[in-house]
Amino acid sequence: ILNVEQSPQSLHVQEGDSTNFTCSFPSSNFYALHWYRWETAKSPEALFVMTLNGDEKKKGRISATLNTKEGYSYLYIKGSQPEDSATYLCASPRGGTASKLTFGTGTRLQVTL
Amino acid sequence: DGGITQSPKYLFRKEGQNVTLSCEQNLNHDAMYWYRQDPGQGLRLIYYSQIVNDFQKGDIAEGYSVSREKKESFPLTVTSAQKNPTAFYLCASTISGGGELFFGEGSRLTVL
Repeated sequence: ILNVEQSPQSLHVQEGDSTNFTCSFPSSNFYALHWYRWETAKSPEALFVMTLNGDEKKKGRISATLNTKEGYSYLYIKGSQPEDSATYLCASPRGGTASKLTFGTGTRLQVTL
Repeated sequence: DGGITQSPKYLFRKEGQNVTLSCEQNLNHDAMYWYRQDPGQGLRLIYYSQIVNDFQKGDIAEGYSVSREKKESFPLTVTSAQKNPTAFYLCASTISGGGELFFGEGSRLTVL
């Protein structure tokens, strides 16, 4: 993996469904993995910054796991609600500096009643 | 309230004109960034600055210029040399390189 890749591109679920999506990133020279939520007409907001292999972080109904050896992270949403509708971005620094984040194209989640 | 303010939200420009997008933060963050978003693409880094009076090119710096004369401010100029300037521009900051980014609400530039 040379770039940060996210799948699926979009997802449509019913309220109450649990869902998950994937972020793949270069595993060499790993520094950190960021997850952001971007709601329409708002600014992207950080969900998690993860640095340790095997790390799992949780914020309410949202959790994320990290596998730095194989270069992937999963984001899980338990019991999706309409307010979870957003684009979820992941990003990882590269180029030998923590400052240069490379973003994936995002997973657009739509939760309907 | 602490945050990042971008202005203007919408901007129209004629071809051949330079335009400057403003980004101000009151978070006391050292590092500031400019990203560009195009449909179907991830956010791409234009320029970043880790300290006052210093900035570095990102992946798509051609046709753009920046300055960092004050810690709070990181304006982006889209010059006439930028071949395809119509896009959505996001400014971000972080307390130090590598921390979570705080974003502004963005500026949408349309070249007529």
